[in-house]
Amino acid sequence: GAGVSQTPSNKVTEKGKYVELRCDPISGHTALYWYRQSLGQGPEFLIYFQGTGAADDSGLPNDRFFAVRPEGSVSTLKIQRTERGDSAVYLCASSLGLGGSTDTQYFGPGTRLTVL
Amino acid sequence: GQQVMQIPQYQHVQEGEDFTTYCNSSTTLSNIQWYKQRPGGHPVFLIQLVKSGEVKKQKRLTFQFGEAKKNSSLHITATQTTDVGTYFCAGRRSGGSNYKLTFGKGTLLTVNP
Repeated sequence: GAGVSQTPSNKVTEKGKYVELRCDPISGHTALYWYRQSLGQGPEFLIYFQGTGAADDSGLPNDRFFAVRPEGSVSTLKIQRTERGDSAVYLCASSLGLGGSTDTQYFGPGTRLTVL
Repeated sequence: GQQVMQIPQYQHVQEGEDFTTYCNSSTTLSNIQWYKQRPGGHPVFLIQLVKSGEVKKQKRLTFQFGEAKKNSSLHITATQTTDVGTYFCAGRRSGGSNYKLTFGKGTLLTVNP
């Protein structure tokens, strides 16, 4: 079946604008994760959902960042008043469940966000 | 907070040489996962280790989890050009019900044919 998909693949915006990044997880996967990856760094955890609820949002850098998953499938990461420092690749991953072998994370191709 | 360190940051080898990357966590882990990211690609899951002292093999790749469950290593025997990429370890903190993964910064492997 299809893997994790993310749209758009690239997003260029101006400082101060609002952006939304979308993630479609693998069908049937209950857990969904957002990461941010800067050049030369590992994925940095932002938030993860179990179903519709955010189980841990401790990685969101500040209150300009917000993520939702209203129906327990598709998720949207929202960034308000973008800053140049927000430029990075935003990765989404999903897993079948949590714990044991079910929490293998499958990553999407990412959205490359550039804030001018 | 939890920190996961990886060394070396870069490794360049001749094709056929061996390669090892090491991962250390500041806290005891419930499990550790390894991912490979090709240039321009996204992380792809390789393996998960759960038990203290566990060793797993995938063809030329050998993964180890330390006895104290705070460190891990990935060893590649006789590297090939297809092994090029960045290898990340990612650890889940022991205890509790939080399934957050903390990634290391990765080791970039380049292979000279």
